[in-house]
Amino acid sequence: AQKITQTQPGMFVQEKEAVTLDCTYDTSDPSYGLFWYKQPSSGEMIFLIYQGSYDQQNATEGRYSLNFQKARKSANLVISASQLGDSAMYFCAMREGHNQFYFGTGTSLTVIP
Amino acid sequence: EAQVTQNPRYLITVTGKKLTVTCSQNMNHEYMSWYRQDPGLGLRQIYYSMNVEVTDKGDVPEGYKVSRKEKRNFPLILESPSPNQTSLYFCASSSGGTLAKNIQYFGAGTRLSVL
Repeated sequence: AQKITQTQPGMFVQEKEAVTLDCTYDTSDPSYGLFWYKQPSSGEMIFLIYQGSYDQQNATEGRYSLNFQKARKSANLVISASQLGDSAMYFCAMREGHNQFYFGTGTSLTVIP
Repeated sequence: EAQVTQNPRYLITVTGKKLTVTCSQNMNHEYMSWYRQDPGLGLRQIYYSMNVEVTDKGDVPEGYKVSRKEKRNFPLILESPSPNQTSLYFCASSSGGTLAKNIQYFGAGTRLSVL
């Protein structure tokens, strides 16, 4: 079974609109961490946001928020007020147990002017 | 400047010719890791290290070796590269700890082609 599933290979959003990128995960470990990374066309991996399995509140970092639904094992990324510079590949990732990491296959986001 | 440095950035080699991709971090991080990125597959963890002389297999360790003799360095070794190891490779480091955020900082990537 896939540890991290991203079901949206590609997404489009109008500039200034909000967009949600989906991520579901699979683990039986009670202690885990969830991450989102952005990979622009230049190739670097940029950390966006983190959610711990014991965190009671959804994480937020500026225009990024993580919609954490533990019972559903989902950790969707919400980007508010999309900008042209948000066009990139987005990866959801999970740290499980003693520091083994799993990444999803990514979602390519295109922001339309 | 805090950074993870990988070298080389680009490498073309032939099947069977041993190669090493170096990775160095200047953040005194305990945890380091190697990934490969392939289209449609995302990033897959090859090996990781939680500290000096402590390494563990990730999801796709076959055909790779690593060593962690010093805290700052974590080289990736391909003893006999094959064309299916053609990929984009990333090194990453973080402060580590099971319950910590363990945010990984990535190097710029090494694009490897094995002919």
